Amino acid sequence: QKEVEQDPGPLSVPEGAIVSLNCTYSNSAFQYFMWYRQYSRKGPELLMYTYSSGNKEDGRFTAQVDKSSKYISLFIRDSQPSDSATYLCAMIGGGSNYKLTFGKGTLLTVNP
Amino acid sequence: EAGVTQSPTHLIKTRGQQATLRCSPISGHTSVYWYQQALGLGLQFLLWYDEGEERNRGNFPPRFSGRQFPNYSSELNVNALELEDSALYLCASSLWGARDGYTFGSGTRLTVV
Repeated sequence: QKEVEQDPGPLSVPEGAIVSLNCTYSNSAFQYFMWYRQYSRKGPELLMYTYSSGNKEDGRFTAQVDKSSKYISLFIRDSQPSDSATYLCAMIGGGSNYKLTFGKGTLLTVNP
Repeated sequence: EAGVTQSPTHLIKTRGQQATLRCSPISGHTSVYWYQQALGLGLQFLLWYDEGEERNRGNFPPRFSGRQFPNYSSELNVNALELEDSALYLCASSLWGARDGYTFGSGTRLTVV
């Protein structure tokens, strides 16, 4: 079983739709959770990071973590064509191992 | 503030040759990470350097190596290149602990022919 599972999609939605992106993980040592956005031929950029279970909101983006179910989500409200990109979940464990483990990424296309 | 910079942007090498990729972290960041992003495989962790020392290594053969210099910049070397080494190589930097994530560069696209 992979440490982090993420549905690769592709996911295609109309402009204005609510998008839900999800990851599951198996390693209970993971404590910090992040979402990155990667445009074609660019490096990933950090969108959201969170530590505790619950929701964290930033503009149109909401990150949700459920540690008991080992499940994290990213919601995008009022999606825009500029949101079209690959979204990667990432997580990091406790202790002194600061290696980020990534999901494979979900390719999202928002159609005008 | 300058972000993470990587050079070269593109690199074309012949099978069996050596490739050297370079990375300059954000000022103040001491940790540098290298990832390989091959088509369909996602980001695979290669190496982590901090304060000039290798702190962790991913599941890659020894022909993938690197180092970190006193100014915290880093170099990734790939010896005896194979066709399957063709990928986007991403460098990232962070403060010690990386609790607020990494900042990535735009990557070096390595093509082995």
